[in-house]
Amino acid sequence: AQSVTQLDSQVPVFEEAPVELRCNYSSSVSVYLFWYVQYPNQGLQLLLKYLSGSTLVKGINGFEAEFNKSQTSFHLRKPSVHISDTAEYFCAVSDTDDDKIIFGKGTRLHILP
Amino acid sequence: DAGITQSPRHKVTETGTPVTLRCHQTENHRYMYWYRQDPGHGLRLIHYSYGVKDTDKGEVSDGYSVSRSKTEDFLLTLESATSSQTSVYFCATRQGAGELFFGEGSRLTVL
Repeated sequence: AQSVTQLDSQVPVFEEAPVELRCNYSSSVSVYLFWYVQYPNQGLQLLLKYLSGSTLVKGINGFEAEFNKSQTSFHLRKPSVHISDTAEYFCAVSDTDDDKIIFGKGTRLHILP
Repeated sequence: DAGITQSPRHKVTETGTPVTLRCHQTENHRYMYWYRQDPGHGLRLIHYSYGVKDTDKGEVSDGYSVSRSKTEDFLLTLESATSSQTSVYFCATRQGAGELFFGEGSRLTVL
C-alpha cells in the first residue's frame, strides 16, 4: 500500500528566506502527486499537482515542487516566504491505477518576523 | 471550486449514539471520499466511493460505514460513536485523475 512521509512536522523560517518542505512516498511504478495547504481554521486547497510531463511543477503563491522518481520524493519549495504563508502543508500521493489518495501527516510552516 | 457542502458542520454527541455526516456535491464528480483529520496524524482516509453503490475501505475504516445511493450524496455513519472518533471530518470529490476538492469540514465531538 502507498504511504507518504513528511519528514518535518514543523519548520520555522524567517520572513523572506527560502523554504523547502520535504515529502517522500513509498516506491511505485507510476504515481500522481499533490501538495495541499490548510490555512488556520480553514479547509484544504490545492497548491500544485504532478500528473505527468515536466518534473518541475509550479503552483499558486510562488510555490514549486520537483518530482524525483529515483528518490521517490516530491519536495515543495518557495524562494522567499511571507507571513501569509503560515499554514500547514500536506503532501499526498495516489498510484495511477488506484483510486485512493493518501496524505502525509503534514508540516506546519512558521514564519518568523 | 466544486460545490461541496457538509452537514452538520458541528456536532456534539454522547458515546454509543449513532451519528451520520452528510456530504453533498453539485459537480457530478464520480469519486467521493471521507477523511478524518487529527493533530499529528494528518488526513487519514476512512472510506471512498467510485460510483453509485460502489464503495471501498480506506486506512481507518473500523467503526465507520458509508452509503452512496445518488451521485451527489455520500453519507458517513458512525453506528455507535466512541471518544476516539472525536475529529474533524472532511469530504472530498474527484473527477478522473485530478485533484481532490474539499468541503469545509465537520467537527464531531463525542463525549
